[in-house]
Amino acid sequence: DTEVTQTPKHLVMGMTNKKSLKCEQHMGHRAMYWYKQKAKKPPELMFVYSYEKLSINESVPSRFSPECPNSSLLNLHLHALQPEDSALYLCASSQGERGGSDEQFFGPGTRLTVL
Amino acid sequence: AQSVTQPDIHITVSEGASLELRCNYSYGATPYLFWYVQSPGQGLQLLLKYFSGDTLVQGIKGFEAEFKRSQSSFNLRKPSVHWSDAAEYFCAVVSGYSTLTFGKGTMLLVSP
Repeated sequence: DTEVTQTPKHLVMGMTNKKSLKCEQHMGHRAMYWYKQKAKKPPELMFVYSYEKLSINESVPSRFSPECPNSSLLNLHLHALQPEDSALYLCASSQGERGGSDEQFFGPGTRLTVL
Repeated sequence: AQSVTQPDIHITVSEGASLELRCNYSYGATPYLFWYVQSPGQGLQLLLKYFSGDTLVQGIKGFEAEFKRSQSSFNLRKPSVHWSDAAEYFCAVVSGYSTLTFGKGTMLLVSP
């Protein structure tokens, strides 16, 4: 299984809502990533988990809260978002080797709209 | 700091014609380079990667790329483009902590 799955595919939420995005992989990968992608832009890294510990937070606002319950699952909890947070949220995973040789596998993304 | 430049925002190619998408990188050490493709509203799919060794790399869907250290380039090529190749293409370089730095992307349009 070389697939990264993400749920839901689409999410519409109000600014006062709390919602969560879910990502799952069964490739035995030990690094997992959240990216945000605005239209016609490249993905921007948000968080990196390595061996279930948060290793990189790219100065993401606290209204985004990541969680890695186990090595196969990655969640992104959303609270009090702003309309400008509307974007495609991509999850990725990799083997977790340090030194830059990792290939990242991407999920199909969750299209988030904040009203 | 590492960076990737894709100088072409859009490219239009006739179906059946050859394709070359340009990518230039800036990285102090040996770069680990990738090309990804993204169809509208979808995730990214890896086309090919270069870590070391043979500088001509073969990928999926008939794509290849050539690493040229002297030119700091990693251009993507395909000899005959199909309409289904229309998508956004991203070149990326990996840093020492396995984080990807993407270029701004090149949108490929295929005309009949």
